[in-house]
Amino acid sequence: DSGVTQTPKHLITATGQRVTLRCSPRSGDLSVYWYQQSLDQGLQFLIQYYNGEERAKGNILERFSAQQFPDLHSELNLSSLELGDSALYFCASSVHLGTGTANTGELFFGEGSRLTVL
Amino acid sequence: AQTVTQSQPEMSVQEAETVTLSCTYDTSENNYYLFWYKQPPSRQMILVIRQEAYKQQNATENRFSVNFQKAAKSFSLKISDSQLGDTAMYFCAFMNYGGSQGNLIFGKGTKLSVKP
Repeated sequence: DSGVTQTPKHLITATGQRVTLRCSPRSGDLSVYWYQQSLDQGLQFLIQYYNGEERAKGNILERFSAQQFPDLHSELNLSSLELGDSALYFCASSVHLGTGTANTGELFFGEGSRLTVL
Repeated sequence: AQTVTQSQPEMSVQEAETVTLSCTYDTSENNYYLFWYKQPPSRQMILVIRQEAYKQQNATENRFSVNFQKAAKSFSLKISDSQLGDTAMYFCAFMNYGGSQGNLIFGKGTKLSVKP
């Protein structure tokens, strides 16, 4: 058990709909990351938040958005869903060691949310 | 842009034998981290081993060890005394030192099957 909790584990919805995926990081971790894993694209970094603020952005579509709340949990919102959005969405967290300090690089992953768009 | 290549989509090994998974990467950076993550059927991504590029000594974690060849940009994973529980997808990943901590760049993965 990594300590990172993601809900829901499975989600089936229709094209054009909107869903929200939720992530609770490990206790004490300030950084949250979202990844998408699909068969054709592999594992791709979407976005990172640190202590409530967006820190880095990867291959995240404009239809997708995320936020991190004061209690450090994060939500990934996916809207106007398309068939190609079907994927496993991972949340990960880590301890952020502060500006100028080398990070260890280790991320702790949740079990993922499996999204199926029909 | 950095890329990570795993040239073996699938591999199999007999229980108790040794297997080596290959990974090459491309970067112009000098300082970075390399990782092997394991994804069993349960789907969770689990860190197997980590290597800092500035360290010449190869990392080891129990039955898992790496062969890090910085000049060749190669980072292979050796699993000794393979166990049935090692059956999983294995992903090689790269991260710039000091860069965005979340921006792990993953290879496409190698599906390892350990046979009894």
